[in-house]
Amino acid sequence: QKEVEQNSGPLSVPEGAIASLNCTYSDRVSQSFFWYRQYSGKSPELIMSIYSNGDKEDGRFTAQLNKASQYVSLLIRDSQPSDSATYLCAVSLYNQGGKLIFGQGTELSVKP
Amino acid sequence: DTGVSQNPRHKITKRGQNVTFRCDPISEHNRLYWYRQTLGQGPEFLTYFQNEAQLEKSRLLSDRFSAERPKGSFSTLEIQRTEQGDSAMYLCASSSWGSGANVLTFGAGSRLTVL
Repeated sequence: QKEVEQNSGPLSVPEGAIASLNCTYSDRVSQSFFWYRQYSGKSPELIMSIYSNGDKEDGRFTAQLNKASQYVSLLIRDSQPSDSATYLCAVSLYNQGGKLIFGQGTELSVKP
Repeated sequence: DTGVSQNPRHKITKRGQNVTFRCDPISEHNRLYWYRQTLGQGPEFLTYFQNEAQLEKSRLLSDRFSAERPKGSFSTLEIQRTEQGDSAMYLCASSSWGSGANVLTFGAGSRLTVL
C-alpha cells in the first residue's frame, strides 16, 4: 500500500461546479497535510494546509481532514477553467524531519 | 525574497555523463529538500539538509547521486554516470524549520533528459 493515495483522474467538471479531490494516507502519526497545485510543466505551489480535524476554508477552497479515517479532501467551489491542473496531496510526519510524502496527484479538468 | 532558484532549468546529456544541479533556497530558510518527479507521478523525496548537515537520504538515492550544502546556503545535486532512467524533473524546496508549520516552497525545477 502506498503511503499517500489519490485517484489519478482525470476528473472533469463543468465550469461553476464543485470539484472534490480525495486523498488517503497510511501512517497514523501523520501530522500535517497539504494540497499543492501543479500546472503542466511547472512546479508545485501550495494551496492549503490543514493540521487538525475538520474543515478549513480559504476563498473557493475548503480542505477537510478526518484523522480517524485517515482521509483528507479538497473542495473547489465555483470551479474555473484556470483551476485545471494536477492537485497533489502531501502528508508530513514531524518525527521524519517534516519531509513531505506526496500522492501521485489528481488531474482536474474544468470545462467551460 | 526571490523564492527558490534552480539552475539549469533544462539539461540534456548523453548516457554516462555527469550532471550537476544547483539550488538557491529562500535566504532565511534553514531546511532544503530535493525531490524527483517523473511524468504522471508525484514528487519523490530524495534527501534533505538542515543548514549544512544532510539529515536523511532516500533509498532511491543510489551511489551515483550525491548532494551537498557546504555552507548551509545553496545546495548541489550531482548525478554521476547518468542513465536514461535518471530522466526526470529535479525539484528543490526550502522551509523554515522550527518556526511553526514546516511549509515547503518549491523552485521551478531542473529538467534532465538523458539520451
